[in-house]
Amino acid sequence: RKEVEQDPGPFNVPEGATVAFNCTYSNSASQSFFWYRQDCRKEPKLLMSVYSSGNEDGRFTAQLNRASQYISLLIRDSKLSDSATYLCVVTAHEKLTFGTGTRLTIIP
Amino acid sequence: ETGVTQSPTHLIKTRGQQVTLRCSSQSGHNTVSWYQQALGQGPQFIFQYYREEENGRGNFPPRFSGLQFPNYSSELNVNALELDDSALYLCASRPIGEGTEAFFGQGTRLTVV
Repeated sequence: RKEVEQDPGPFNVPEGATVAFNCTYSNSASQSFFWYRQDCRKEPKLLMSVYSSGNEDGRFTAQLNRASQYISLLIRDSKLSDSATYLCVVTAHEKLTFGTGTRLTIIP
Repeated sequence: ETGVTQSPTHLIKTRGQQVTLRCSSQSGHNTVSWYQQALGQGPQFIFQYYREEENGRGNFPPRFSGLQFPNYSSELNVNALELDDSALYLCASRPIGEGTEAFFGQGTRLTVV
């Protein structure tokens, strides 16, 4: 079993729709959680950290369920510029473990 | 721009050769980690350096080795290259501490033929 699992997609979603990604992790000692975004042939960039209380940044909402070892990302009112691969990242003892990534394409 | 720079950006090597990839970390960041990203996969952790010492390693064989210098820049060395080593190699720097943001360089795309 992979340490961090994501649905690889692809998700093809019309502009303006809401889309949700899920991620599960296996290491119960995991301490920090993130969503990174990676554009085609570019480096990953931090989208947002994920906190137990849930957090929101504009159109993006992240949730963490430590009991179920589950992380989610919700994108509302999706834009063409949201097309990218979204990577779920979990850290334990300062080691970052990435999921495979979920590929999202927003369709005009 | 993250302030993390990698060189070279692209490289073609022959199976069996050795390669050295370089990374300059962002100012003030004392921790550098290296990742291998195969096509269609997420980055896989190779190892991490903090103050010139390796302080974490993923499931990579010993022919993957590294260094960190006093200015916190770093090198990744791969010996006896194999075809499966073809990938994007990413370097990330951050301040030490759990939960700190990692900033990535643009990567080195290595092709082994």
